[in-house]
Amino acid sequence: GENVEQHPSTLSVQEGDSAVIKCTYSDSASNYFPWYKQELGKGPQLIIDIRSNVGEKKDQRIAVTLNKTAKHFSLHITETQPEDSAVYFCAAGHRGNNRLAFGKGNQVVVIP
Amino acid sequence: GAGVSQSPRYKVAKRGQDVALRCDPISGHVSLFWYQQALGQGPEFLTYFQNEAQLDKSGLPSDRFFAERPEGSVSTLKIQRTQQEDSAVYLCASSLSGDIYEQYFGPGTRLTVT
Repeated sequence: GENVEQHPSTLSVQEGDSAVIKCTYSDSASNYFPWYKQELGKGPQLIIDIRSNVGEKKDQRIAVTLNKTAKHFSLHITETQPEDSAVYFCAAGHRGNNRLAFGKGNQVVVIP
Repeated sequence: GAGVSQSPRYKVAKRGQDVALRCDPISGHVSLFWYQQALGQGPEFLTYFQNEAQLDKSGLPSDRFFAERPEGSVSTLKIQRTQQEDSAVYLCASSLSGDIYEQYFGPGTRLTVT
């Protein structure tokens, strides 16, 4: 099955700087790559997603890039704010296997 | 609008007891998924419904786990004869489409088996 890995496990950034989290996946059939933000005691919140027919997608301060050849995709957060502090999960999947496979998560800490 | 809701938010069960966890998906959403999240880990797939049909239950860890969605809306995950290793957060997600895209999660039910 699909195996998704995230790096680094913890990331600390100064407020206003950019944060980048990278994920790799193993199944070349995967064509859907969402990112979720999870705050303590809450469920994962979908923040952005990308499908394999595009290489980049942006939504205000966040963007996702996809490299299908290398089987990796990244989340970019610009102008970080304290409220961006959370655990971020990447996931991968395709319609044929009925599920998303998640990475183990990255703890992002934005230092005011 | 209303998101996915789950109840109870917290459940403590003694080993051997049966539990039932409820999920109310976003109205009109066709797909419903259950995931299990251990502490410090990402969600792990348990099962998938398209309307009332359970199309994939390959992630259920044992035959003590059972899920249903009889009318294609509310879903219940039942765990029989709970064990300590069942302690985790159980997450429900729903999607408007009949597949994996754009899944919206509920807050989860934290199950502790003592």
